[in-house]
Amino acid sequence: DTGVSQNPRHKITKRGQNVTFRCDPISEHNRLYWYRQTLGQGPEFLTYFQNEAQLEKSRLLSDRFSAERPKGSFSTLEIQRTEQGDSAMYLCASSRVTDEQYFGPGTRLTVT
Amino acid sequence: DQQVKQNSPSLSVQEGRISILNCDYTNSMFDYFLWYKKYPAEGPTFLISISSIKDKNEDGRFTVFLNKSAKHLSLHIVPSQPGDSAVYFCAARDAGNMLTFGGGTRLMVKP
Repeated sequence: DTGVSQNPRHKITKRGQNVTFRCDPISEHNRLYWYRQTLGQGPEFLTYFQNEAQLEKSRLLSDRFSAERPKGSFSTLEIQRTEQGDSAMYLCASSRVTDEQYFGPGTRLTVT
Repeated sequence: DQQVKQNSPSLSVQEGRISILNCDYTNSMFDYFLWYKKYPAEGPTFLISISSIKDKNEDGRFTVFLNKSAKHLSLHIVPSQPGDSAVYFCAARDAGNMLTFGGGTRLMVKP
């Protein structure tokens, strides 16, 4: 078991561009979560999946943000038309249904 | 409205002494509480948890205490070691297994 992995680890993009991040959860975990963390703050919940179903997406920050988990395994988080305020660490976590969440190393996004 | 608060942004402790990190919450519907540790450039690492039906959980050098009436929990680390230096986040879980995190406390353990 290699834990939760995220790619890329760092992404620098220009304002207005679209970016996509990937998360590979721990293999036996059926829940997958996305969080955003800004400097000096704790992680902020964005959305989560149980298998391929997206069960909560009301906390996605705007309609520029979307996430998918098409086959119930890996997930992608896309940000369209990036803004400087989107610069943050994007964290993915996975768990069994009611167990503790295990986090990946995160993708640091810088929008210039 | 912050539902989970860690009021001390930083804490400095001498090696071998006790570290006490505090966390307050406002939502009485939270049923499970967790502590995570975070090193720079890494994701948070799960440390210890406690159910709302308990008031104490211990795992080696780490003990979490929960006072439901005060809506307060604390993490005790005894004895503190330099490798414990990190940012500690408390988190509270609701019925949907969604976590709400506090802002974190940076612990520095001095040799």
